[in-house]
Amino acid sequence: AQSVAQPEDQVNVAEGNPLTVKCTYSVSGNPYLFWYVQYPNRGLQFLLKYITGDNLVKGSYGFEAEFNKSQTSFHLKKPSALVSDSALYFCAVGKNTGFQKLVFGTGTRLLVSP
Amino acid sequence: DSGVTQTPKHLITATGQRVTLRCSPRSGDLSVYWYQQSLDQGLQFLIQYYNGEERAKGNILERFSAQQFPDLHSELNLSSLELGDSALYFCASSSSAGTNEKLFFGSGTQLSVL
Repeated sequence: AQSVAQPEDQVNVAEGNPLTVKCTYSVSGNPYLFWYVQYPNRGLQFLLKYITGDNLVKGSYGFEAEFNKSQTSFHLKKPSALVSDSALYFCAVGKNTGFQKLVFGTGTRLLVSP
Repeated sequence: DSGVTQTPKHLITATGQRVTLRCSPRSGDLSVYWYQQSLDQGLQFLIQYYNGEERAKGNILERFSAQQFPDLHSELNLSSLELGDSALYFCASSSSAGTNEKLFFGSGTQLSVL
């Protein structure tokens, strides 16, 4: 069965510093990997996805993520954090064969301090 | 605005009751997904419909049921409600049935069972 682990409940970073939100996954076959962001009282919004190709994926709002097959990871990164990046971030994994569903991690709260 | 509409935004009811949550997908999207978000369980996939047919099933209780109508809107029916059913219920839509497409989420229905 597919699964996603987001090992950190919360990540704290100062504005202007680089940020990393970690995600590891488990799936048989080739994964589809996603990052979504949730702001207070809002639904989730798509940030970026990896389907195939270049391991470094660039997405919305200056975020990027690196697919690492050997470490089964898909960490979200941003070179310079903004206070407005403070939100709840979800990693998700799907696959292209068998029972298809998108499985989400438990979420990581990012807090960027001024 | 994601283009996905969920009604009602808030619902307060009592244990043992039955409620219906409604979702209108983004124009042109054929797939509708239902997710349940709670503090202790995170974001749980419930069920997916594609063009009126059930496509994938997740951790949906037998007390819960869903359907997608010919106009592609979907309803999630929750019956014999228990306190533990209190959660934020999200609907999402996408253009295809596969998991390689990004999802567009509604703002959710906050269900409180008292």
